[in-house]
Amino acid sequence: GQNIDQPTEMTATEGAIVQINCTYQTSGFNGLFWYQQHAGEAPTFLSYNVLDGLEEKGRFSSFLSRSKGYSYLLLKELQMKDSASYLCAVRDSNYQLIWGAGTKLIIKP
Amino acid sequence: ETGVTQTPRHLVMGMTNKKSLKCEQHLGHNAMYWYKQSAKKPLELMFVYNFKEQTENNSVPSRFSPECPNSSHLFLHLHTLQPEDSALYLCASSQEDGGGPNEQFFGPGTRLTVL
Repeated sequence: GQNIDQPTEMTATEGAIVQINCTYQTSGFNGLFWYQQHAGEAPTFLSYNVLDGLEEKGRFSSFLSRSKGYSYLLLKELQMKDSASYLCAVRDSNYQLIWGAGTKLIIKP
Repeated sequence: ETGVTQTPRHLVMGMTNKKSLKCEQHLGHNAMYWYKQSAKKPLELMFVYNFKEQTENNSVPSRFSPECPNSSHLFLHLHTLQPEDSALYLCASSQEDGGGPNEQFFGPGTRLTVL
């Protein structure tokens, strides 16, 4: 079966750096996405990786290793507003998105 | 505001009721999606429409019936639901259903409670 694994919850301190990991086993690979979802709100797109390496976008970066079935989302200079759930999703060989259950990130002052 | 709107935002219904969820996207996209989101579970893809044609039906029970009259509007008709159907129902759209970044834009969701 297809599976996306990410930690259920993480805690970090304001101003620090946090890395959220995602491992996947899917039938084929056509890209990996990270979304942010604040409580009670819609998920919003953060990043897309299809080739190995690091994609940087401001305070957020996303890394992909296809051979290891692994990605991480790196958040720098954490702010209180970064408290949210972070969803990892992989597009499989049928171009269908397979989603992880999300990582709830708690930021403490 | 993502350009995708959903109504109603909250819905409470009995198991014998019939109701409909509505989604509208103002982004000029060609693909629309229905997802179910339950607490601490991955998003479950229910239906996909690409250029108004249904391309995915992920073994969804027949008590959920989608309708896509045009590329901007998507409905989810509900009847004789079960309490376990209580969840957040999210609508999303993308330029098309295929490769490339083609990220999905989500609406705020309808919080459904089945009594």
